[in-house]
Amino acid sequence: AAGVIQSPRHLIKEKRETATLKCYPIPRHDTVYWYQQGPGQDPQFLISFYEKMQSDKGSIPDRFSAQQFSDYHSELNMSSLELGDSALYFCASSFLSIGNTEAFFGQGTRLTVV
Amino acid sequence: AQTVTQSQPEMSVQEAETVTLSCTYDTSESDYYLFWYKQPPSRQMILVIRQEAYKQQNATENRFSVNFQKAAKSFSLKISDSQLGDAAMYFCAYRFTGNQFYFGTGTSLTVIP
Repeated sequence: AAGVIQSPRHLIKEKRETATLKCYPIPRHDTVYWYQQGPGQDPQFLISFYEKMQSDKGSIPDRFSAQQFSDYHSELNMSSLELGDSALYFCASSFLSIGNTEAFFGQGTRLTVV
Repeated sequence: AQTVTQSQPEMSVQEAETVTLSCTYDTSESDYYLFWYKQPPSRQMILVIRQEAYKQQNATENRFSVNFQKAAKSFSLKISDSQLGDAAMYFCAYRFTGNQFYFGTGTSLTVIP
């Protein structure tokens, strides 16, 4: 079965650079979530989209923005990168319209800021 | 505000034995969902089991079962016949319908051969 696809898997950027993370949800899933997991930390919610509209917002810095496109894939844009942005970024998807309550996670994008 | 607490940062179990991981949560909602996710060294988040708050029956998935105590806001995970492949970080998560998941801080489970 198709899973959540995230790209790239690994990314190395310098301070003050910009990064774009991509997420392709499971086909027909209508909801996408973005989470940030620092070393030894639990996942922290950043933002979510339902049917291409932002549905919930967590601790996402103003330097970050995200959107969900017409094909339901989502992108997380991160600007003015800081060392503290180094983390594993997870995307998850679910099919809320049919009451599917669990989220399926991608393998994550490991971002290293140097 | 919703919070999820896992009071055991680390646990260990002998292979083939049983272990219970604890989780408590705080919510004012009556209808919600609880999950246990497993994160092995690969860092992939894998759903282990889920429980709907409106169901009184505890969820079971093969060797994994939960003890859901709604009044006490407790949701523990029992792993029976532990296997080496069960070694991972386990996260308890709460979700109110349609909204974000709230994760606990995780319990690192070691399985001793």
